[in-house]
Amino acid sequence: DVKVTQSSRYLVKRTGEKVFLECVQDMDHENMFWYRQDPGLGLRLIYFSYDVKMKEKGDIPEGYSVSREKKERFSLILESASTNQTSMYLCASSLGLADEGTYEQYFGPGTRLTVT
Amino acid sequence: GENVEQHPSTLSVQEGDSAVIKCTYSDSASNYFPWYKQELGKGPQLIIDIRSNVGEKKDQRIAVTLNKTAKHFSLHITETQPEDSAVYFCAAAGGSYIPTFGRGTSLIVHP
Repeated sequence: DVKVTQSSRYLVKRTGEKVFLECVQDMDHENMFWYRQDPGLGLRLIYFSYDVKMKEKGDIPEGYSVSREKKERFSLILESASTNQTSMYLCASSLGLADEGTYEQYFGPGTRLTVT
Repeated sequence: GENVEQHPSTLSVQEGDSAVIKCTYSDSASNYFPWYKQELGKGPQLIIDIRSNVGEKKDQRIAVTLNKTAKHFSLHITETQPEDSAVYFCAAAGGSYIPTFGRGTSLIVHP
């Protein structure tokens, strides 16, 4: 089974702190994604990466950055946390583009981040 | 970019009834339509998907239909059970592998 793990289930940080959210997948997937989930807003894409050291902005990248130094690990960084970044953060991975049936995303359990 | 609308936001049914969730999309280039189920405390998980070259797909009690002309697709769950209670997300993806998600439907199945 594909497993996507996230470093923390719950995190409480103060305004202005630098926050690191870590995600690791064990299936050698090329693509990795960070979403935030807010009630009534669904899943919104923050950043994604299709290869090591490659990154692309999603729909809501402001206030975030990412790092992918190894294929299996994708980190989300909040440079200076703000209260409006309080949310559920979901990491996902998927295989590459090559074949049919490779679009499925595998999600981690999420990190509930509270910024006070 | 793609815009996916999902309705209803909440759906309450009695056990054994059917449930239908509807989505519309805006980009005619979209050709892949997955549905994800998110149980409490877990990440979303793919339950069924359909590609634009077919109009309907079934897997036991769940089915998805696609109308490309009207740009809408629907999830049908028959004989609902309490364990079907969850949040369901539709999504649409085109030439890239990046899906655009709907806002989700909270399905509640009452025993």
